[in-house]
Amino acid sequence: AQSVTQPDIHITVSEGASLELRCNYSYGATPYLFWYVQSPGQGLQLLLKYFSGDTLVQGIKGFEAEFKRSQSSFNLRKPSVHWSDAAEYFCAVAPKSGGYQKVTFGTGTKLQVIP
Amino acid sequence: DTGVSQNPRHKITKRGQNVTFRCDPISEHNRLYWYRQTLGQGPEFLTYFQNEAQLEKSRLLSDRFSAERPKGSFSTLEIQRTEQGDSAMYLCASENRHQETQYFGPGTRLLVL
Repeated sequence: AQSVTQPDIHITVSEGASLELRCNYSYGATPYLFWYVQSPGQGLQLLLKYFSGDTLVQGIKGFEAEFKRSQSSFNLRKPSVHWSDAAEYFCAVAPKSGGYQKVTFGTGTKLQVIP
Repeated sequence: DTGVSQNPRHKITKRGQNVTFRCDPISEHNRLYWYRQTLGQGPEFLTYFQNEAQLEKSRLLSDRFSAERPKGSFSTLEIQRTEQGDSAMYLCASENRHQETQYFGPGTRLLVL
């Protein structure tokens, strides 16, 4: 069964500092990979996705993620964090089945941004 | 494209009552998903519709839960005889089969007292 591990439950960074959120997955083959962001009391917004090709993926709000097959990782990065980035971030995987996607989410990393 | 909408946004009910939630997907998205998210966890898959057909249900979906998608448009999720353990955020997502990306609604937060 597929699984996603986000080892950091909570991360605090200073505004303007760089950010890296870790994500490791377990799956038999390379799955589709996603990062979503959730603000308090809100639904999930897609930041970026990796299906194939270039392993460095650009997303919205200045985020990027790098797929590393050898490490089964898909870490999310941002060079300079803004206070509005404070939210919870979820890494997710789905099989490349060609059919519907049964997405499996990690448990999330809550980001706090301090002035 | 107005996004996925869900109603109500919040629901407080007493144990044993029935509740129904509605999800309106992005128009022309033929795939629709329901997820449940409890505090401190990521969303967990509940069920999936392709058009009006319910094609998969998670074991999380007990017989007190039922979902429908008449005419392949909006969907409803009903919980009968609610229990305190049903308290959670219920998320709906829709997907265009060509995009292979799910777009989420704002969720319905249920509190069972």
